[in-house]
Amino acid sequence: EAGVVQSPRYKIIEKKQPVAFWCNPISGHNTLYWYRQNLGQGPELLIRYENEEAVDDSQLPKDRFSAERLKGVDSTLKIQPAELGDSAVYLCASSPQGDEQFFGPGTRLTVL
Amino acid sequence: QQQVKQSPQSLIVQKGGISIINCAYENTAFDYFPWYQQFPGKGPALLIAIRPDVSEKKEGRFTISFNKSAKQFSLHIMDSQPGDSATYFCAASKRDTGRRALTFGSGTRLQVQP
Repeated sequence: EAGVVQSPRYKIIEKKQPVAFWCNPISGHNTLYWYRQNLGQGPELLIRYENEEAVDDSQLPKDRFSAERLKGVDSTLKIQPAELGDSAVYLCASSPQGDEQFFGPGTRLTVL
Repeated sequence: QQQVKQSPQSLIVQKGGISIINCAYENTAFDYFPWYQQFPGKGPALLIAIRPDVSEKKEGRFTISFNKSAKQFSLHIMDSQPGDSATYFCAASKRDTGRRALTFGSGTRLQVQP
């Protein structure tokens, strides 16, 4: 079974530029999460989807961050414009009916 | 507000020794407590998890001890091996509107020396 796929794996941009991350969850997983992991810290939830619906986006900085999950499968997380403090690893996870979450390898973002 | 506190920040253990990582939580609504293992450049992977209706769960060399009254839980790695060298995260969650969002600790970097 294929795991959670994320792309790109690495991204380096100048501040104020836009950036987008893509996630393909495990087939059949209806729940999708985006987490941000700062260096030396645990992941922090940004947004959670149940199928196409964002059911928890309270931690998403909505002035510059946006996300979508069209057709309840793939998801895209966007930052526009990026700031220096956005440098982090962005993790996507998906979950089936149970409680276990399966994480992708993440996208490491560096904002210069 | 840090809802899950993890210690120590780093740990060095000799091969064959026991690694112990501790976590404490604040929210009594939490009812699922997993431990994740993360290698450099990889996403976290579930290692073992426990629910508050049991005080201990063992899977191979990995054991979770859970103390509900103290709101604490710990991971014990028996016969630690160099391949166990990774960062370990405790987490906690509660069921909310159908699914869960994990609240992670700050991580423990484990180094097992050969």
